[in-house]
Amino acid sequence: NAGVMQNPRHLVRRRGQEARLRCSPMKGHSHVYWYRQLPEEGLKFMVYLQKENIIDESGMPKERFSAEFPKEGPSILRIQQVVRGDSAAYFCASSPGVVNYGYTFGSGTRLTVV
Amino acid sequence: AQSVTQLGSHVSVSEGALVLLRCNYSSSVPPYLFWYVQYPNQGLQLLLKYTSAATLVKGINGFEAEFKKSETSFHLTKPSAHMSDAAEYFCAVSEQGAQKLVFGQGTRLTINP
Repeated sequence: NAGVMQNPRHLVRRRGQEARLRCSPMKGHSHVYWYRQLPEEGLKFMVYLQKENIIDESGMPKERFSAEFPKEGPSILRIQQVVRGDSAAYFCASSPGVVNYGYTFGSGTRLTVV
Repeated sequence: AQSVTQLGSHVSVSEGALVLLRCNYSSSVPPYLFWYVQYPNQGLQLLLKYTSAATLVKGINGFEAEFKKSETSFHLTKPSAHMSDAAEYFCAVSEQGAQKLVFGQGTRLTINP
């Protein structure tokens, strides 16, 4: 039973390019969450999605960031026109639907903007 | 709004000594509380959780935590540290039934031989 799969593990982008981060939840999990970890900081919630629906995007920056979780395929976190401040580790987590089970996290994508 | 404070961004103990990592939370509603561990360049692994059942919660790798409502605390302990416990530890809180977690800043645990 594979865990939460994120790819790529490392991503380097030049300022102004687009970054696409992918997350495949655990089998049987229909809830996906994205968190961002800036250097020397804890994780900050970005967005919570179910299949084809964004449930809570209160942590998403208002511009350049978007997320989707289509009916088929992985969840995608998309960052347009990246800036140096976007450099961080982006973690995806999934759950079967009830938070008191605890999330299962992926290994993260480390984005570096040069 | 909920928040989590982890006292001590770095904690260092000797191998075999007691590990105590502190976590205090604020929440206007009964919370769920979690401890996660993060090894270098890896994701977070759930150590244990409190979900309004027993106040003393046992987790993996010999860790446990006690929910103290009067102190709004959820400190993590382990009686005897092992070298493999060196990692970053995060405390997190959620509202009961809510999907979003609020994390503390993390505590980096170092084990001295």
